[in-house]
Amino acid sequence: AAGVIQSPRHLIKEKRETATLKCYPIPRHDTVYWYQQGPGQDPQFLISFYEKMQSDKGSIPDRFSAQQFSDYHSELNMSSLELGDSALYFCASSSTASAFPGTQVTYEQYFGPGTRLTVT
Amino acid sequence: RKEVEQDPGPFNVPEGATVAFNCTYSNSASQSFFWYRQDCRKEPKLLMSVYSSGNEDGRFTAQLNRASQYISLLIRDSKLSDSATYLCAVTTDSWGKLQFGAGTQVVVTP
Repeated sequence: AAGVIQSPRHLIKEKRETATLKCYPIPRHDTVYWYQQGPGQDPQFLISFYEKMQSDKGSIPDRFSAQQFSDYHSELNMSSLELGDSALYFCASSSTASAFPGTQVTYEQYFGPGTRLTVT
Repeated sequence: RKEVEQDPGPFNVPEGATVAFNCTYSNSASQSFFWYRQDCRKEPKLLMSVYSSGNEDGRFTAQLNRASQYISLLIRDSKLSDSATYLCAVTTDSWGKLQFGAGTQVVVTP
């Protein structure tokens, strides 16, 4: 079965540079989540998108932005990189259904292999 | 204090034995509950969702206790390949962002 695809798998950047991470969700999944996992830590939610609109926002620095495109793939843009941004960045995808007007149900999330970002 | 807490372990388990561990959550409005398995430097892999009635998938059994706000995972007949970190994850709204525990490390020994 097709899984979540992330690129690149590894990225080395210097401080103050920019980086773009890409995520291609499982086919027919309309919801994408981004998580950051630092060394020895659990994944922390950054931001999510449903049907190309931002659906939720977590502890994402202002230096980071993200979007979801018409083909449902998502990109996380990171600027003015800092040493502390070195981490694994995971994208997860799921499907979301409308329960009744104004509410929704999201289903299990499946994670991509991650992008390992090293800032030097 | 984290909203989702787990015993970090490690739980050292002889091959073939049973191991069980819990995860507690502080938000009584938590909606959905999951167990993920994470191997070193790899992505979390969904092990199972946890339902109020409890659920079983092969050697793995998960339970939810809403009154005491914890979920549990039991692994029977442990295999060497079960060695991993088991992450508990909880959602607190319908948009589905996951809040993770710090993980419980399980080491299965021959």
